Amino acid sequence: EIVLTQSPATLSLSPGERATLSCRASQSVSSFLAWYQQKPGQAPRLLIYDASNRASGIPARFSGSGSGTDFTLTISSLEPEDFAVYYCQQRSNWPRTFGQGTKLEIQ
Amino acid sequence: EVQLVESGGGLVQPGGSLRLSCAASGFTVSSNYMNWVRQAPGKGLEWVSVIYSGGTTDYADSVKGRFTISRDNSKNTLYLQMNSLRAEDTAVYYCARDSIARHAFDIWGQGTMVTVSS
Repeated sequence: EIVLTQSPATLSLSPGERATLSCRASQSVSSFLAWYQQKPGQAPRLLIYDASNRASGIPARFSGSGSGTDFTLTISSLEPEDFAVYYCQQRSNWPRTFGQGTKLEIQ
Repeated sequence: EVQLVESGGGLVQPGGSLRLSCAASGFTVSSNYMNWVRQAPGKGLEWVSVIYSGGTTDYADSVKGRFTISRDNSKNTLYLQMNSLRAEDTAVYYCARDSIARHAFDIWGQGTMVTVSS
């Protein structure tokens, strides 16, 4: 199975700052990578699909990039509601594996 | 409104069984790839099972032979039959639509908690 490794495990930033989250795949997933946001007590929410496409209703401050094995989620200017856990997921092969998550916390 | 609503979670003893349901509205379950994903307390997301639009199924190795995914097209509902439950199956279970167009899980239910404990 494809292993996704996210870094860092925890990212401490302040509102208004730029956040850069990384996801590395153990083998190429082409552009079949998605990003999700999860807040406590809530289901995950799709942010980015196919590496760089924002899902419906997702603000423009969220952007994704990368292909093959290295991917990045960037939040250009953090809003208070952006502090959450972020997961990447590959849709190249079964099983549809997830990364272990990056917790974005308020500094 | 497009949504998924899970039910059926609860407390069950090790070795017991439970059936989860996921009722869909706003779209047709049988026309989509439908999945179960779980999250153990304080842990990350783990894909559990899928039923394809054609009806074939697949499972994570951790549940293969114990869990069965199915759907009732007349009720537009997805199910997960869980047998021989273990403590390590304790988790919130989410159903999720795998969007063929977006190559991602675009619709998620709110989750239902399953606790396996004596």
